[in-house]
Amino acid sequence: DAGVTQSPTHLIKTRGQQVTLRCSPKSGHDTVSWYQQALGQGPQFIFQYYEEEERQRGNFPDRFSGHQFPNYSSELNVNALLLGDSALYLCASSFPGMNTEAFFGQGTRLTVV
Amino acid sequence: KQEVTQIPAALSVPEGENLVLNCSFTDSAIYNLQWFRQDPGKGLTSLLLIQSSQREQTSGRLNASLDKSSGRSTLYIAASQPGDSATYLCAVMGGGSNYKLTFGKGTLLTVNP
Repeated sequence: DAGVTQSPTHLIKTRGQQVTLRCSPKSGHDTVSWYQQALGQGPQFIFQYYEEEERQRGNFPDRFSGHQFPNYSSELNVNALLLGDSALYLCASSFPGMNTEAFFGQGTRLTVV
Repeated sequence: KQEVTQIPAALSVPEGENLVLNCSFTDSAIYNLQWFRQDPGKGLTSLLLIQSSQREQTSGRLNASLDKSSGRSTLYIAASQPGDSATYLCAVMGGGSNYKLTFGKGTLLTVNP
């Protein structure tokens, strides 16, 4: 049983560019959440997708957008990259309820230069 | 706004020692609490999930307790091993946060052989 998979594992981008990160949820899961983890900090919630809709959003600017596909996989897009966007981006999948366990992928390390 | 605090920020112990990691949260109206392990530069591995109606959960050498009314959880690790060295993160769902997990900054554990 494949767990949560993310691609790519590492990425280097230049300020002002755009980036797309991808996530495939654990088998059977239909809810995908994205988190940003800066060095030495706990992950911060970006948004959650369920039934191809953004169900909840954290305190991130509109430069951060996402999408969920009919097969439950998801993309995170970040436009107009800033140096401060450099972080580990984590994808989590779960069942849709509030009492379910979240499973995380290995993350994508984004470096903006 | 839910806030999660983990104490201590770092802990170094000799192999074989029993240890306790602490987590506190400000809003007790949570749905569940989850403990994760994170190796350097890697994703999160779920260790234990405690539902709001539960007092504790056990998995192997790990035991997590939850006191929702006081806003506290502890992770007890028995007979620590060098392989336990990692950052341990506590996260809560609920408390006004709805579907998102709110994380602490983690405790960096080093187990010395």
